[in-house]
Amino acid sequence: EAGVVQSPRYKIIEKKQPVAFWCNPISGHNTLYWYLQNLGQGPELLIRYENEEAVDDSQLPKDRFSAERLKGVDSTLKIQPAELGDSAVYLCASSFQQATEAFFGQGTRLTVV
Amino acid sequence: LAKTTQPISMDSYEGQEVNITCSHNNIATNDYITWYQQFPSQGPRFIIQGYKTKVTNEVASLFIPADRKSSTLSLPRVSLSDTAVYYCLVGLDMDSSYKLIFGSGTRLLVRP
Repeated sequence: EAGVVQSPRYKIIEKKQPVAFWCNPISGHNTLYWYLQNLGQGPELLIRYENEEAVDDSQLPKDRFSAERLKGVDSTLKIQPAELGDSAVYLCASSFQQATEAFFGQGTRLTVV
Repeated sequence: LAKTTQPISMDSYEGQEVNITCSHNNIATNDYITWYQQFPSQGPRFIIQGYKTKVTNEVASLFIPADRKSSTLSLPRVSLSDTAVYYCLVGLDMDSSYKLIFGSGTRLLVRP
């Protein structure tokens, strides 16, 4: 069975440009998470979905970040406009329910120049 | 006030037991404690999860005291392939809200 799939793996953009990341969770997983991970630090939760509903987006910088999970399956995370400080790895994870084992994708490494 | 606290790094030798402790004073009442392993350029991978006392699976044990303000991941007889970063993940009651927080990670180096 395929795991969590993220694309692209790497993205380099100039500051002020928009960027989008895509995540396909494991089939049947209701909960989807987007995390940001800076070098040498633990992942930080950006947003958590239960099916189509964003149940925790308190740590999502809503002035430039947005996310959606149409039909409760795939999800996209967008940054517009990107800033230099947004350079990081963006991880997507999914689980059958919240508080159960979460499976992570390999992440998208974003570099803003 | 630290959200969670883990040692930054640990060194060990092959065949030894390694214990990594995470402190989480503000853990939410009904939340589980989960530990993940992460290799470079990969996403974290689930190791073990528990609520209280002791949990054991084929790769690790998790010890949780009665007050649940800390947890200890125990890796028996580590091998070179266990060299990785280990994170605890807990839900914390912070500022009257619930937040899912990863620790800062413990970098484990296993030497031959």
